[in-house]
Amino acid sequence: GEDVEQSLFLSVREGDSSVINCTYTDSSSTYLYWYKQEPGAGLQLLTYIFSNMDMKQDQRLTVLLNKKDKHLSLRIADTQTGDSAIYFCAEMGGSYIPTFGRGTSLIVHP
Amino acid sequence: SQTIHQWPATLVQPVGSPLSLECTVEGTSNPNLYWYRQAAGRGLQLLFYSVGIGQISSEVPQNLSASRPQDRQFILSSKKLLLSDSGFYLCAWSVSGPVETQYFGPGTRLLVL
Repeated sequence: GEDVEQSLFLSVREGDSSVINCTYTDSSSTYLYWYKQEPGAGLQLLTYIFSNMDMKQDQRLTVLLNKKDKHLSLRIADTQTGDSAIYFCAEMGGSYIPTFGRGTSLIVHP
Repeated sequence: SQTIHQWPATLVQPVGSPLSLECTVEGTSNPNLYWYRQAAGRGLQLLFYSVGIGQISSEVPQNLSASRPQDRQFILSSKKLLLSDSGFYLCAWSVSGPVETQYFGPGTRLLVL
């Protein structure tokens, strides 16, 4: 079946850029998503990218997609303490059931 | 705009007791609805999804059941809770269209003692 992999932890210094990586196996993926989960809260959709795009930028967020390697990344510029959260990568193919990664805990320290 | 509600926010229940968690969506019609469980703050396990009233698909065999009595209401139930049912339960909705995106509710934290 489909699989989405992410590293579990990332630690960065405040003001630096964060890059969270994700790999997936489903070659029929149509949409790829990044969600943010703060402690005790639900998942908040940050951004998504169509599989026919290779980059999408939204303010401090940049999503890069390498479809050949099935690799997705989320770059957060000028990372702030408020960016500390768990970030989930997800992909959706032909069905309406997305496959989520296990999430990457981003820790921002002063 | 669309909003999704879940209640209760937190629940502590004894083993063997029944469970009913409710999820409602406002501002959209005929949404796809989903129940997930998140254990220990990590990973999402899809439990049930529904594409319409009375239509429920189960992803994993378990002690839980789901119902959709109304278009924008999704209920997660159990007749007898187990310790292993503890976790963070998330409801989500989506609408079929050019961009199929899920939107999540605030979650219910369930502790079974």
